[in-house]
Amino acid sequence: QKEVEQNSGPLSVPEGAIASLNCTYSDRGSQSFFWYRQYSGKSPELIMFIYSNGDKEDGRFTAQLNKASQYVSLLIRDSQPSDSATYLCAVITNFGNEKLTFGTGTRLTIIP
Amino acid sequence: KAGVTQTPRYLIKTRGQQVTLSCSPISGHRSVSWYQQTPGQGLQFLFEYFSETQRNKGNFPGRFSGRQFSNSRSEMNVSTLELGDSALYLCASSLGRAPETQYFGPGTRLLVL
Repeated sequence: QKEVEQNSGPLSVPEGAIASLNCTYSDRGSQSFFWYRQYSGKSPELIMFIYSNGDKEDGRFTAQLNKASQYVSLLIRDSQPSDSATYLCAVITNFGNEKLTFGTGTRLTIIP
Repeated sequence: KAGVTQTPRYLIKTRGQQVTLSCSPISGHRSVSWYQQTPGQGLQFLFEYFSETQRNKGNFPGRFSGRQFSNSRSEMNVSTLELGDSALYLCASSLGRAPETQYFGPGTRLLVL
């Protein structure tokens, strides 16, 4: 079982709709969760991080964390063509020997 | 404040050669982590340096090594290059050690022929 799993997509969403990206992780002791966006040919850029169960909102982005079910999700409201990118979920695993482990990413395409 | 910089941006080497990549973190950041990104494996953690000491290491062979200098700049070295080492090598800096937020540089794209 991979430590961090994401559906590779591609996920196609109409412009203006809500895009929902999901991520599951295997290490129950994980404490910190990050979402990065990576445009083709570019390096990852941080969108959001979340540490506590529940929702965290930042503009059009909402991160949701459910530690009991070991999943974290990212919602993008009012999707724009500029949101088309690969979204990487990252988790701090091995609490006490922290390292950032990435999922393989979900490719999101917003259709105008 | 300037972001993370990496040099060189592109590199072509042949099998058996060695290569050194450089990373300058954001000013004031003391932690530098290195990652390898390939289409098949995604982003994989190589190692983390903090205050000139390797604090964490991923599952890569000993051909991959690194170091950090007193100004927090870091280098990684790959010896005896193999075709499979062709990848985008990214470094990320953070203020302190994990779970501090990491900021990525533009990467060095290495092609091994």
